Amino acid sequence: DTGVSQDPRHKITKRGQNVTFRCDPISEHNRLYWYRQTLGQGPEFLTYFQNEAQLEKSRLLSDRFSAERPKGSFSTLEIQRTEQGDSAMYLCASSLSRGGKVEQYFGPGTRLTVT
Amino acid sequence: GESVGLHLPTLSVQEGDNSIINCAYSNSASDYFIWYKQESGKGPQFIIDIRSNMDKRQGQRVTVLLNKTVKHLSLQIAATQPGDSAVYFCNYGQNFVFGPGTRLSVLP
Repeated sequence: DTGVSQDPRHKITKRGQNVTFRCDPISEHNRLYWYRQTLGQGPEFLTYFQNEAQLEKSRLLSDRFSAERPKGSFSTLEIQRTEQGDSAMYLCASSLSRGGKVEQYFGPGTRLTVT
Repeated sequence: GESVGLHLPTLSVQEGDNSIINCAYSNSASDYFIWYKQESGKGPQFIIDIRSNMDKRQGQRVTVLLNKTVKHLSLQIAATQPGDSAVYFCNYGQNFVFGPGTRLSVLP
């Protein structure tokens, strides 16, 4: 399967703990995006990378959130000192910027539950 | 910032009928729009796209219409099938912004 993969698919953690999610994009894609999605809403943009450079971050991305894409391939999203409000689906997507088109290919998401 | 919406509108259609899903956007600088389909438990999946220099684009059973004057985008699905049941999102604003989504339910 050459699609976007995310790990883990589900994570249950206690409030105050740190969590880290991994995303493996489609191999030739140079852009990688992180979104958060809560029930009944569309994905909310968190951040995106072009190769290893983090080019944009949403105001939603508080100081407790950090994302990396060290070698321009896979990416990690870390949430420190988790809060119950962090419970959501975290989606990763990748795209190949070409001719102005940025069709994104999404992974299955990581569902985070903070108890 | 861009609006995302607080609750999910639902559209119920009979199998075989045509469906029309609408999206109003707020970023007039958007020059590229995409419709995504999201099935339960999965990430969004690309359906069709349109550039701002076009008014209409057709795919297989789907048509996207763009009215830049009123900042409105619509997705038409012909002969709706049970497999079309999903949540549909429009995407714009450098493609970081997703509309609130519409849940399409196909009735037998």
